[in-house]
Amino acid sequence: AQTVTQSQPEMSVQEAETVTLSCTYDTSESDYYLFWYKQPPSRQMILVIRQEAYKQQNATENRFSVNFQKAAKSFSLKISDSQLGDAAMYFCAYRSAGNQFYFGTGTSLTVIP
Amino acid sequence: NAGVMQNPRHLVRRRGQEARLRCSPMKGHSHVYWYRQLPEEGLKFMVYLQKENIIDESGMPKERFSAEFPKEGPSILRIQQVVRGDSAAYFCASSPTVFTGGTDTQYFGPGTRLTVL
Repeated sequence: AQTVTQSQPEMSVQEAETVTLSCTYDTSESDYYLFWYKQPPSRQMILVIRQEAYKQQNATENRFSVNFQKAAKSFSLKISDSQLGDAAMYFCAYRSAGNQFYFGTGTSLTVIP
Repeated sequence: NAGVMQNPRHLVRRRGQEARLRCSPMKGHSHVYWYRQLPEEGLKFMVYLQKENIIDESGMPKERFSAEFPKEGPSILRIQQVVRGDSAAYFCASSPTVFTGGTDTQYFGPGTRLTVL
């Protein structure tokens, strides 16, 4: 079975600075999708960014970008120009060919004013 | 296009009662997923349904839990004879029809927070 590992339970960043959240995964599949979701205190899950494994180009969404290293099975999220509203739990997720999603245990991000 | 709707947002039950959680997927979405999130933990997959079919229920406890997604109406996650350990946030997500090789993203509802007294 696929596993998703987020090794940083908590991270903090100064407002306007850049932070990188780590995620690694284990799979034997060659075609899959990766996601980062944000869960603010409201508990709603919000899609931040997604990456298709067959694409070599790293996905970018405004201040959010990923560093996808397929061979290393690594999928980190970079948040640039951090804002107070970025404070939340961030979950890395893997979507298998069978359309099942696997989530990491999350990283709690604090943004320091 | 309204997002994924879940109700109720908060549900309180006493031990032994039944809990029914409802999820209306986004318009045009035919796939529904249920997840459970215990305090301070990530989401755990429970069940994946398409209209009138359970595709994968490997994450759902065999006892007391059931799920359905009828042809008409919302998806229902039903927990019978609830126990304190069932207290959690239950999230529903939906996705559009899967196309081979296409992207398929899940869109989450706001969750139902179940408290068992």
